[in-house]
Formats: sequence, structure tokens, C-alpha cells
Amino acid sequence: DTAVSQTPKYLVTQMGNDKSIKCEQNLGHDTMYWYKQDSKKFLKIMFSYNNKELIINETVPNRFSPKSPDKAHLNLHINSLELGDSAVYFCASSQDPRNYGYTFGSGTRLTVV
Amino acid sequence: SQQGEEDPQALSIQEGENATMNCSYKTSINNLQWYRQNSGRGLVHLILIRSNEREKHSGRLRVTLDTSKKSSSLLITASRAADTASYFCASSLSNDYKLSFGAGTTVTVRA
Repeated sequence: DTAVSQTPKYLVTQMGNDKSIKCEQNLGHDTMYWYKQDSKKFLKIMFSYNNKELIINETVPNRFSPKSPDKAHLNLHINSLELGDSAVYFCASSQDPRNYGYTFGSGTRLTVV
Repeated sequence: SQQGEEDPQALSIQEGENATMNCSYKTSINNLQWYRQNSGRGLVHLILIRSNEREKHSGRLRVTLDTSKKSSSLLITASRAADTASYFCASSLSNDYKLSFGAGTTVTVRA
């Protein structure tokens, strides 16, 4: 059973399009995250939800909008895609990072052409 | 900006040798964590060390933490080809749900 699953695994799209990435976790964790990993492997947090409530919203263009319909799901919608949005996007979950590690999904490689 | 800086950026060793990588961070932490990322995969949690701990072991992994120097090290003993991966440190600040990651060390284990 996959603990944190993301779909799609690969996404190639044209500039200006709108796309969504979905994430689901079956671990019963309260907190979920979106991270962006660039081509140099830097990982930067974008958003976090705790029990469907937004708790972290880093400096991210407002073209990016997270949605958490329930605590097991955290989706990421991106409007008006730009070339610079090309990256690998990781979803993760944790019971509490102050005491436990994160469980990551396998990533979504987004390529904007 | 990244909370953690890792050193070296890349490391190439022979199978059976030990690999050591270091991580420095900027502000006081609640805990520090190490993760492994195989090529094209997600990150896998390896070990968490709390700010009041100095050393922790898990199998062939040994992590140390020096809060006075704001640094941590990860030692992989008797390395195997399967240890080839990128290794990241990540710090959790007190009362913060966010993990901030370092830039990673790419380890290549030659057979």
C-alpha cells in the first residue's frame, strides 16, 4: 500500500495552461505539505495544511492554490503556468515534524514548454 | 534562504568505505533530520535527532549533533552500492511545523 501517493507522476504542458496535482495519504497523519525541488535539488516548502487548515503559506505566486478537502488529501492547482514552474513537486505528510519525520510521495515532474 | 548547508556537495567512495557528510544550520532547532533521495524518487526519512541528544544510531547510520556549533554529521559505515543517493539534512524549529532542507550531498558508491 502506497503511503503518500501523487498523481500524475509526469506532467508536460504548455505555458499559460492550468493544471492540478493530486496527493493522498493513508497514514492518518494530520499535516500535509507541498514542496518544490528545483533542478539543483533545492527543496523549498510551499504550503502546509493541518487538519484541512492552512498553516504554512510561503512566498509563492498566487497562481498556486492548494486545496485540502479532507485531512487525507492535499491538491495543488497551478494557473497560467510559466517556464519557471518546471520542477519536481513533492507532497509529504507527517504526524508532527517536531517529533516525527515526513513521509514523501514519489514526486510529480512538471515540465512547462 | 536554506536553513541548512551541507558539505561536501558530492562524495565518491569505494564500496566498503565509510561516508561522512556534514550539515550546518543557522537558528536554534527542535530537531534535525536526515533523508535519503534515490535518483528520480521521493525522499525517505532516515533518522531524527532531538536538540537535547548528541548521537543516534540506526543500523549502519550514525548521526551526531553539536548544538553549540549548530552542526550535524551523518556517517554511513561499510557503504554499499545501494547507498548511492543524495542525502539531505532538514531542521525543525521550535513550535514550527515546517522542515527546512539543506542543499544535499550526492554520494556515489563505486563497486
